[in-house]
Formats: sequence, structure tokens, C-alpha cells
Amino acid sequence: ETGVTQTPRHLVMGMTNKKSLKCEQHLGHNAMYWYKQSAKKPLELMFVYNFKEQTENNSVPSRFSPECPNSSHLFLHLHTLQPEDSALYLCASSQDQDRVDGYTFGSGTRLTVV
Amino acid sequence: AQKITQTQPGMFVQEKEAVTLDCTYDTSDPSYGLFWYKQPSSGEMIFLIYQGSYDQQNATEGRYSLNFQKARKSANLVISASQLGDSAMYFCAMSRSGGSNYKLTFGKGTLLTVNP
Repeated sequence: ETGVTQTPRHLVMGMTNKKSLKCEQHLGHNAMYWYKQSAKKPLELMFVYNFKEQTENNSVPSRFSPECPNSSHLFLHLHTLQPEDSALYLCASSQDQDRVDGYTFGSGTRLTVV
Repeated sequence: AQKITQTQPGMFVQEKEAVTLDCTYDTSDPSYGLFWYKQPSSGEMIFLIYQGSYDQQNATEGRYSLNFQKARKSANLVISASQLGDSAMYFCAMSRSGGSNYKLTFGKGTLLTVNP
């Protein structure tokens, strides 16, 4: 059991559906991240939140909409996705300064768009 | 911009032997951190080891050691006495030190298979 919990673990959705991914951390970290992991590609940073404020949007399409209501929770709202959006979506958290242990990751949500 | 290169898509090793996973990096930052993560088939990314760019000694954590060669910009992971449970994807990553936008840049990963 990690300090970062992601739900659901698996999600299958149609291209017209609306769904949300949830991430929760109880580590007292100030920063939270969404990463996308596609097959045979490096992890792609999507969004960064620091103290609930979005500090980075890495040119992510608007069909992905993040929400960070507080420093412990992060959501990724999904709508009208494409099959190429199928991937493992990883949430992570960290302190806002350099730390020797880097990020703490969740177990991810494996998303399949049909 | 930072870049991480892992040139080995897959590696095989016999149980109880040592294995080296390669990682080279490119950055213009004077201060940075280097990380290795393990990702089993379950998907979770597990932190293994960290090396700071100004650290004089190579980092070690149990069976993991990081062979840091700054001039060559390489940060290879050495796993000694491999175990079957070491079979997983391994990612090298780099951070920019300091600032409020603390980010990790990852390589494509190496799939390690430990054979009995």
C-alpha cells in the first residue's frame, strides 16, 4: 500500500463517456502530478499542481481537465476521449523542493477507450 | 531541456548474477538529481535510488548501486545478486534541483527479466 492512492485501477470507457480519475495522498506533500504512460514511450508529464495551483499544463488536449480542490486530492476529468488516449495514468506527489526520494507514485489507472 | 536515454529495451540475467542497466542524460543545469524507479507489472512506480550531481560518492541502497560518471553523463544502475522478483521495468529519471516546479524527466525504460 503506497502513500498515494488512485481509483479506479481499471477503466473502460466509450468515446462519448465522461469519467473521472481520482488521486489521494496523505503524505503531507505540496505538489501533485499527472503522468501518462503509453506503451514504449517515456512517461509524459501532463499537469503539475503546487499548493492547489496549477503550475504546468504540458500542452494537454482540453478533453483532459484536471482539478485539485486541496493539496491531498487530485482529479482528472475525462470527456470525449480518443482510442489513442488509452494508457496508464499515474498520479504522483512530492514536496515542493528537491528531495532525495523524488516522487511517490500511485499504482495508476489503466484506461481503455473503446 | 533535459533528456534521459536508456538504450536497452530489454535485458536478461540469470538469478543470483549482477546486471547493469544503462542510463545517459543530457542537461545544462549545474545541479540536478538522478533517480531509478522500478515498475512491476502491477503498474506502481517504486523508488530505488538517488544520486545528486554534487555527491562525491556513488549511491548505494542494499543490492542497488548507481555508477555515476559525471563527465560521461551516465548513471547506470547495478543490481547485484538478482532475484526473480527483480523482473520489472526500470526507469531512469532526472530532476531539476531547486525552484517550485520540481519535475522529473523519465527515460523510456528497460525491461529486465531474471531467469531461474
